[in-house]
Amino acid sequence: NFMLTQPHSVSESPGKTVTISCTRSSGSIASNYVQWYQQRPGSSPTTVIYEDYRRPSGVPDRFSGSIDSSSNSASLTISGLKTEDEADYYCQSYDSTNRVFGGGTQLTVL
Amino acid sequence: EVQLVESGGGLVQSGGSLKLSCAASGFTFSGSAMHWVRQASGKGLEWVGRISSKPNNYATDYAASVKGRFTISRDDSKNTAYLQMNSLKTEDTAVYYCTREGLTDFDYWGQGTLVTVSS
Repeated sequence: NFMLTQPHSVSESPGKTVTISCTRSSGSIASNYVQWYQQRPGSSPTTVIYEDYRRPSGVPDRFSGSIDSSSNSASLTISGLKTEDEADYYCQSYDSTNRVFGGGTQLTVL
Repeated sequence: EVQLVESGGGLVQSGGSLKLSCAASGFTFSGSAMHWVRQASGKGLEWVGRISSKPNNYATDYAASVKGRFTISRDDSKNTAYLQMNSLKTEDTAVYYCTREGLTDFDYWGQGTLVTVSS
């Protein structure tokens, strides 16, 4: 089994851009799609990015995803930060039978 | 509108059993794989397991941490998925979410049900 490692927390000011990384411990990051989920306090998670970079309908284009094979990591970038973006963000991927979540990153918009 | 409503959570002693239900509506339940995900208080998300749809023979997969203790099942006639939890441990204490597999493995989430395992 592999692990996905995220920074515990990040913070940035409104209007700025923040990037959250997600590093896969073994196996290629490109071998299985990466998803990103947003969880606001007291709420269930929702998908903000799927299949590495795709956005579900209703998710603003301020959210973007990418993968980097050289660092074996995925990234979630949020531009034009708003206070409503303050939440926990989880990356997620899979192998043949397992689904794996990253430990989550707490985003503070201050 | 897709809705997933979990129920059956509560307080149980270590070593005990509990069965959670997930009532689905707003989509073709019989055609969707379903997952269970849990979250301990103040902690991250942990995948518990998955059940596929009938065309895939209701195949199941489980996280190593629950394999042999937890069983996922479904009743397509009732649009309901289940999570049978046996030999519960204090570390199983968490909010348990059911999710629908769609665009992603965790396309829609329920509101969760709290399971507390006491020692």
